[in-house]
Amino acid sequence: TQLLEQSPQFLSIQEGENLTVYCNSSSVFSSLQWYRQEPGEGPVLLVTVVTGGEVKKLKRLTFQFGDARKDSSLHITAAQPGDTGLYLCAGAFNFNKFYFGSGTKLNVKP
Amino acid sequence: EPEVTQTPSHQVTQMGQEVILRCVPISNHLYFYWYRQILGQKVEFLVSFYNNEISEKSEIFDDQFSVERPDGSNFTLKIRSTKLEDSAMYFCASSALQGVIGEQYFGPGTRLTVT
Repeated sequence: TQLLEQSPQFLSIQEGENLTVYCNSSSVFSSLQWYRQEPGEGPVLLVTVVTGGEVKKLKRLTFQFGDARKDSSLHITAAQPGDTGLYLCAGAFNFNKFYFGSGTKLNVKP
Repeated sequence: EPEVTQTPSHQVTQMGQEVILRCVPISNHLYFYWYRQILGQKVEFLVSFYNNEISEKSEIFDDQFSVERPDGSNFTLKIRSTKLEDSAMYFCASSALQGVIGEQYFGPGTRLTVT
C-alpha cells in the first residue's frame, strides 16, 4: 500500500496568520490533488498538480509540487475562519488509482 | 453546476444482507470511482471503472464487491454479504479525463451502517 503522510495532523491558528501543510511519500506520484472536506460531505477538489516543481495559486492558497514529484505543500496566506476544515492530499501512482493522506484538520480562530 | 449525486444518503442493513449503493456521475464524464471512509479514518480507494470495465482496484475490493453501470447513467456498488466492518461513508467520484490529469468530482456520500 502506498502511503501519503500529511503533517501536521492538527493546526489551530489565529485569523491573519500564515500556515503550510505538507504531504510526503517515498514514492513518485503521477499527479497529486488537494481537497477540502467538510464533516459528513465528500471531498471538494482544490487543485491538481502534475509537473515536478509546479506551483499553482488559488487566491490565498499556494500549492507546490516537489521537483521529484514525491511531496507537495499547501500554503495559506492570511488565514480566515472560512478556511477552517480538513485538507486532504491524494496521490495518483497509477493513472486511475489514488491514495489519500489522513488529512490536516485546520481551525482558524477569529 | 453539474454534480455527482448519490442515493441513498443513509443505508442501514443487517449483517449478511446485500446492499446496492447508487451514483449518478456528471454526464460527460468517462471515469468513475468508488471510495470509502470509515469514521475518523482516511479516504480509501476501492475501484476505478472505465469503458464498462474495472481499470484498477484496491486490496479492499474483494469478491464481496462489484460495480456496474447498468444503464449509461447510474454507477452502482454492490456489497453481496455485508459485514460489520463495511460500515463507512461510501463516496462515488467521476472525472472527464484519465487520472493523471483528470480531476475527480466527489458525490456527497452514502453512509452505510451494518448492524
